[in-house]
Amino acid sequence: GAVVSQHPSWVICKSGTSVKIECRSLDFQATTMFWYRQFPKQSLMLMATSNEGSKATYEQGVEKDKFLINHASLTLSTLTVTSAHPEDSSFYICSATGTSGRGDTQYFGPGTRLTVL
Amino acid sequence: QKEVEQNSGPLSVPEGAIASLNCTYSDRVSQSFFWYRQYSGKSPELIMSIYSNGDKEDGRFTAQLNKASQYVSLLIRDSQPSDSATYLCAVNLQYNFNKFYFGSGTKLNVKP
Repeated sequence: GAVVSQHPSWVICKSGTSVKIECRSLDFQATTMFWYRQFPKQSLMLMATSNEGSKATYEQGVEKDKFLINHASLTLSTLTVTSAHPEDSSFYICSATGTSGRGDTQYFGPGTRLTVL
Repeated sequence: QKEVEQNSGPLSVPEGAIASLNCTYSDRVSQSFFWYRQYSGKSPELIMSIYSNGDKEDGRFTAQLNKASQYVSLLIRDSQPSDSATYLCAVNLQYNFNKFYFGSGTKLNVKP
């Protein structure tokens, strides 16, 4: 149980375009979803936290207009990187907590590797 | 001071030995503690959680929690080369708050 999927697993796009990443909880309801970014050999960096049906809470320094997060249902959250630039190239990982287990455990998706040319 | 601190390593142990990974946290009201394993280029995967003082065992893994000392550790018995990864300690401030603090991770190398 507690499976989280992400799509796509990798994406290459041109500078200036937008990219949408989907995060789904497959066998539980995700009341809260988290989006992280990780650069090579660096730690996880939390970008934002989203609760179903509410606006996302962004961490300091993360541009909410550039990284659009939608958590429209209890099984789906999306992250849209708008007007992507090469410095946005990174490994984006979502995680979810919810109705699985005690409800306080984060289960991670497999991640999406974004390369912006 | 960071909320969660880990030695970045690398920690090198021979195959078959016990690997001991340590983590300290700053907030005394923390309730939930987690260990994740992250292979290079992959996302973190949950190893185990611990909520009460003492030891919790799951196969070759034992988590140890000491809330008075604000210390949580992970022991890996009979270490295998496949255990080579970065181990992340995570602390949840309160059960319902969903605010996770991650350590920067300890890189473990298990040498054949």
